[in-house]
Amino acid sequence: QSVLTQPPSASGTPGQTVTISCSGSSSNIGSNSVYWYQQLPGTAPKLLIYRNNQRPSGVPDRFSGSRSGTSASLAISGLRSEDEADYYCAAWDDSVSGPVFGGGTKLTVL
Amino acid sequence: EVQLVESGGGLVQPGGSLRLSCAASGFAFRNYSIHWVRQAPGMGLVWISRINRDGSAKAYAGSVKGRFTISRDNAKNTVLLQMNSLRAEDTAVYYCVCPTWGQPLLYEDYWGQGTLVTVSS
Repeated sequence: QSVLTQPPSASGTPGQTVTISCSGSSSNIGSNSVYWYQQLPGTAPKLLIYRNNQRPSGVPDRFSGSRSGTSASLAISGLRSEDEADYYCAAWDDSVSGPVFGGGTKLTVL
Repeated sequence: EVQLVESGGGLVQPGGSLRLSCAASGFAFRNYSIHWVRQAPGMGLVWISRINRDGSAKAYAGSVKGRFTISRDNAKNTVLLQMNSLRAEDTAVYYCVCPTWGQPLLYEDYWGQGTLVTVSS
């Protein structure tokens, strides 16, 4: 069982906006930055959002992140077929002195 | 080009040992902490271990503490993960990561391609 809680699945149609939630506690999201990853089958995770709402170079601005209290969310606007992937949230956890991850959300583009 | 290349994975019997290696290039390796993250087949990501930039501080997840040892050689731009007393539940793809977590001077993550460890008789 993952420390951070994500919905196992999400879906949307092309052009829609989809939001994926991530719930944690005071030892992780409540006191540390949140990170979001996209993972395509058979590949390493790719960083989409770091430090709650920052995008690495090359990540489209269709992807945005936010954090409030012990929860965070990833929004994907203008949904595209190539966005179909698994998405993971992560945050440093002071109680384990390392990062913890969500269980992942499988996004389906209908 | 930044690269992290893992090697050393394979099939091992329960109770056996493996040593994973992570070779880094294309960035200032010695300035950053390096982590190992694993992913069991069909499952999510799990943090395993980390080592700080000069090797003086290490941390482990509870599931591997006492069995796995992380080390680094900054002269060779390499991080090692010695895995002993392996169990079936250690079966996973192991990723070497130079992450943005806790490293304010980084604005992107660097991940290796992963190496598969299979523990089975």
